[in-house]
Formats: sequence, C-alpha cells, structure tokens
Amino acid sequence: EDQVTQSPEALRLQEGESSSLNCSYTVSGLRGLFWYRQDPGKGPEFLFTLYSAGEEKEKERLKATLTKKESFLHITAPKPEDSATYLCAVQAAHPPPGGGNKLTFGTGTQLKVEL
Amino acid sequence: GAVVSQHPSWVICKSGTSVKIECRSLDFQATTMFWYRQFPKQSLMLMATSNEGSKATYEQGVEKDKFLINHASLTLSTLTVTSAHPEDSSFYICSAGSNNEQFFGPGTRLTVL
Repeated sequence: EDQVTQSPEALRLQEGESSSLNCSYTVSGLRGLFWYRQDPGKGPEFLFTLYSAGEEKEKERLKATLTKKESFLHITAPKPEDSATYLCAVQAAHPPPGGGNKLTFGTGTQLKVEL
Repeated sequence: GAVVSQHPSWVICKSGTSVKIECRSLDFQATTMFWYRQFPKQSLMLMATSNEGSKATYEQGVEKDKFLINHASLTLSTLTVTSAHPEDSSFYICSAGSNNEQFFGPGTRLTVL
C-alpha cells in the first residue's frame, strides 16, 4: 500500500526565515510526486510534479527536490502570503485496475509565516 | 492553467435528503475525474475514481450506493450523496486528470442538519 508521511505537522516561521518541509513516501514504483498548496476552505492548488530522483523544480520562493525515499519543499525568505497547508502526494507507476492516475496524499504541513 | 469548477460551493440540507455536486473541467477534457472528502484538519481521502462512460471505481469503505457518481461527458462528473446524514457533513473536492496531473476544484462544503 502506498504511504506518504509529511513533517512537521505544523511550522511557524518569521518572515524571511527559510526552512524545509519533508515528505517521505513508499510506493510500488513512482510515477510522480506532487506538491500542492491548500488555503483554508479551498481546493488544493498545483505547485510541482517531480518524476525522478535528483530532479528539482523552482517557483518563486519555493523549490522542490526528490530522492528515492523523500521529497523536500524548500521555502526561501518566506512571506506571510506563503502561509497555507502544503500537501504532498504520490502517484504509483502501476495503479490498480480502474485506479487511473490515483494520488495518495499525506496529511500536510500547516505553515504560518509571521511578520 | 487547467481550471476545474464545482457547484455548489456550499450546501445545507436536511437529514434524509439527497444532494448533487457537479464538477466541471472548463478548458480541457478529462477522461478521469476523482472525488475526495476532507474532514477538518485532515488530508484528502480519495472516495472514487470516475472514468468517462464507465462505472466509477470506489475506494475500500466507500458505499457506492450512497455516493453515486456519474461521468456523463469529458467535462462533467457528478457526485450525489443519497439519504444524507450529519456524519456525511464534510468538504467534498473533485479533481480532473490531464497529462498525468490532477487539477482540483474549489470544493463543496456540505452540512447535513
């Protein structure tokens, strides 16, 4: 069974204080690892997809990296508007019949950036 | 980017009634749509995978007769919560697949009184 574990559960940063969020996973062959941002009462917003170990992607203050066992979401000099819950999800290379491009989500890291 | 809409954004209903939630992909065709449920401070739990023109695939523990899913076209999937009870109150989110990626709708908050 595919599993995703995110840490920490919650993180409080001062504006400008860089940090990293962790996503550890076990999957029977990784097709892709996804990062999403979710604001309260809204659906997840797509950030990145990573497909192979060593891959890195960047978007503004965010940078996602991938190894064979985990992914990191690095936040550089965060601002209050980066406050949100960050979700990690994996997609298996061999989904069950009818499973399509099923995603398995972690429980998320709730980030709060303060002035 | 790909846009997915949901309607309604929130609904309040009486126990025992049925509620239909629509999910539409606005600028792309989605052969596969997914329905998730999210309880407060918890992550998204996949309920079912909906493939256009065929029956939905439900996750273990999800009652298919209670949560009816119809994927009649490449841009529309519906979730009907039948005979809703207070324990069905939750945030329901759909997503639509395109090129191995999933794009999520804004969610529907269901409250059953």
